[in-house]
Amino acid sequence: RKEVEQDPGPFNVPEGATVAFNCTYSNSASQSFFWYRQDCRKEPKLLMSVYSSGNEDGRFTAQLNRASQYISLLIRDSKLSDSATYLCVVNKMDSNYQLIWGAGTKLIIKP
Amino acid sequence: GAVVSQHPSWVICKSGTSVKIECRSLDFQATTMFWYRQFPKQSLMLMATSNEGSKATYEQGVEKDKFLINHASLTLSTLTVTSAHPEDSSFYICSAKSLASGRGFTGELFFGEGSRLTVL
Repeated sequence: RKEVEQDPGPFNVPEGATVAFNCTYSNSASQSFFWYRQDCRKEPKLLMSVYSSGNEDGRFTAQLNRASQYISLLIRDSKLSDSATYLCVVNKMDSNYQLIWGAGTKLIIKP
Repeated sequence: GAVVSQHPSWVICKSGTSVKIECRSLDFQATTMFWYRQFPKQSLMLMATSNEGSKATYEQGVEKDKFLINHASLTLSTLTVTSAHPEDSSFYICSAKSLASGRGFTGELFFGEGSRLTVL
């Protein structure tokens, strides 16, 4: 089983719609969780951290379910510019700086 | 925000040659830099962690004699792919953690733009 698993997609979504992705992780002792965004052939960029109580940043909402070991990302009122691959990232329990990356979920927003 | 510059952005080389990739932190000191490799449609795979002034720590399965890492200063780390072969063709990305971040890790690693290596 992969340490961090994501549905690769692609998710084809009309502009303005709401879309959600899930990500599951295998290590119950993981402490930190993040969503990164990666555009085609570009480096990843931090989208948002995921806090235990859930957190929101504009149109983006992240939630953590420790019992089921999954993280979710919800995008409301999707824009064409949201098209990208979204990477779920979890820290290794033996290091605060080393991260385990999911393979990403590809999102395509259509006009 | 912090900037990490990676060079070259793409390189094509013949099988058997060595390729050096540089990663520079432009406006901050990076005590720790990470080197990743990403194959198409796959996740980022950590290759090694490099700490300034000490030997790099390689992940399991990564050949340290093939992927030479040098982190001689707080602003520069280099990855040299020695005797490259077609199977080494990949997207190599470096990232850095700022010295100024203190103890807490926010999750924000600053990434270079990546180097796409094609070995013929």
